[in-house]
Amino acid sequence: SQTIHQWPATLVQPVGSPLSLECTVEGTSNPNLYWYRQAAGRGLQLLFYSVGIGQISSEVPQNLSASRPQDRQFILSSKKLLLSDSGFYLCAWSVGYVAGVDTGELFFGEGSRLTVL
Amino acid sequence: GENVEQHPSTLSVQEGDSAVIKCTYSDSASNYFPWYKQELGKGPQLIIDIRSNVGEKKDQRIAVTLNKTAKHFSLHITETQPEDSAVYFCAASQTALIFGKGTTLSVSS
Repeated sequence: SQTIHQWPATLVQPVGSPLSLECTVEGTSNPNLYWYRQAAGRGLQLLFYSVGIGQISSEVPQNLSASRPQDRQFILSSKKLLLSDSGFYLCAWSVGYVAGVDTGELFFGEGSRLTVL
Repeated sequence: GENVEQHPSTLSVQEGDSAVIKCTYSDSASNYFPWYKQELGKGPQLIIDIRSNVGEKKDQRIAVTLNKTAKHFSLHITETQPEDSAVYFCAASQTALIFGKGTTLSVSS
């Protein structure tokens, strides 16, 4: 069966420090991978998605970046955190297209709560 | 790009009552409309979805309706139970899912 792992679960960082959140998926190959951020009152905001190694689409311009160094690994990074980067970050994966149809369902990790002080 | 609006932001009902959450979307090319349930401290989980070639779909106490002409879709929960209390998100997609801001549903016994 497929599983998704996301870490760290909680993180407290000072303003201006770097960030690295990691996500790995097991039990599937060539998944679509996503990073969402959940801030109070703003729902789930899509940050990045990737349909393959090295292929990253950015939905929101900001000081965050994403990388996919391996098929089932997705990393969210920042060189210098801002206070506004605080939030609950969720990694997710989907099967993507099967027989020409986007199966659609996203499977989310347990999330990483980032507090920037 | 796609924009999804969701209402209400909070909803309180008595156990056994029905709950309705409504969403509108902007991109007429969107063709997939899922609903997710998020319990406290966890990632969201899919509860039901509908595609643009279907007008209504039901799964036990949960149903979703879609009106493509008006670009809105709704979640209906009947005979609500305390364990239905959670945050519910609608979403719309042609490529990547764009979510609404969520509805906090509270079911009191």
